[in-house]
Amino acid sequence: GAVVSQHPSRVICKSGTSVKIECRSLDFQATTMFWYRQFPKKSLMLMATSNEGSKATYEQGVEKDKFLINHASLTLSTLTVTSAHPEDSSFYICSARDPTRGGFYNEQFFGPGTRLTVL
Amino acid sequence: DQQVKQNSPSLSVQEGRISILNCDYTNSMFDYFLWYKKYPAEGPTFLISISSIKDKNEDGRFTVFLNKSAKHLSLHIVPSQPGDSAVYFCAASATSGTYKYIFGTGTRLKVLA
Repeated sequence: GAVVSQHPSRVICKSGTSVKIECRSLDFQATTMFWYRQFPKKSLMLMATSNEGSKATYEQGVEKDKFLINHASLTLSTLTVTSAHPEDSSFYICSARDPTRGGFYNEQFFGPGTRLTVL
Repeated sequence: DQQVKQNSPSLSVQEGRISILNCDYTNSMFDYFLWYKKYPAEGPTFLISISSIKDKNEDGRFTVFLNKSAKHLSLHIVPSQPGDSAVYFCAASATSGTYKYIFGTGTRLKVLA
C-alpha cells in the first residue's frame, strides 16, 4: 500500500512553454500533498504544500504564479511550471500524506520524481 | 538558512562494518525526525523515524539515535551491505504545524565489498 505515482517521469520542453506534472496517490486518499525540487547533488527543497480543495501554501522564495498547484481531488495534485526557462530544469518530486495511518506521525509517501529539462 | 544539516557529504564503509550518518538541526520546534534513502532519479524511500519523546528507535539493521539537547540525530546501519549504497537524507518536522518535512543536505554512503 501507500503508492504514489508521478507522470511524466521525464519531460523535455522548449523555453517559454508550460509543463504539467501529475502526482497521484494510488491506494489511499491524500488530504495533503507536497511538492519538492531537487537540484543535482543537493537537498530536497520543499516548494509548496497542497491541500485538497484549498489554495496551496508556498514556501518563501517560490513564485506561486510560476509554479501553479492544483489539488482538485483526494488522489491527484498537479504542478504546472508556467513559461518554463532553463533554470527551471530540475528533478521534481511529490509526496502524499495518508491521514488514516494513525496519530500525527504519518510518513510522507514519495513519488518517483519527474525530470524536467527546459531547452 | 539550512535548518537541517548533514555535515558529511560522503562516507565510505567496508561491508559488514557499521555506518554512522549524522544530522544536526537548529529549530527547537522540530519533534519528529525521519531518515530516507534515495537513489538517483528516484523518489526517497522511508527507512526509520523517531519522535522526540524517544532517544532511540531500532528496526532491523537500522537504529536512529536522538540527542535533543545537542539537536543531533544519527542513523546507524549494522552490518552495512553493498545494497545500502545510496544517498541518505534526514528530515525533520514540527507537530504543531503543517506536517511538512525539512530535509537535510544528504550524505552519500558507499559500502565497499
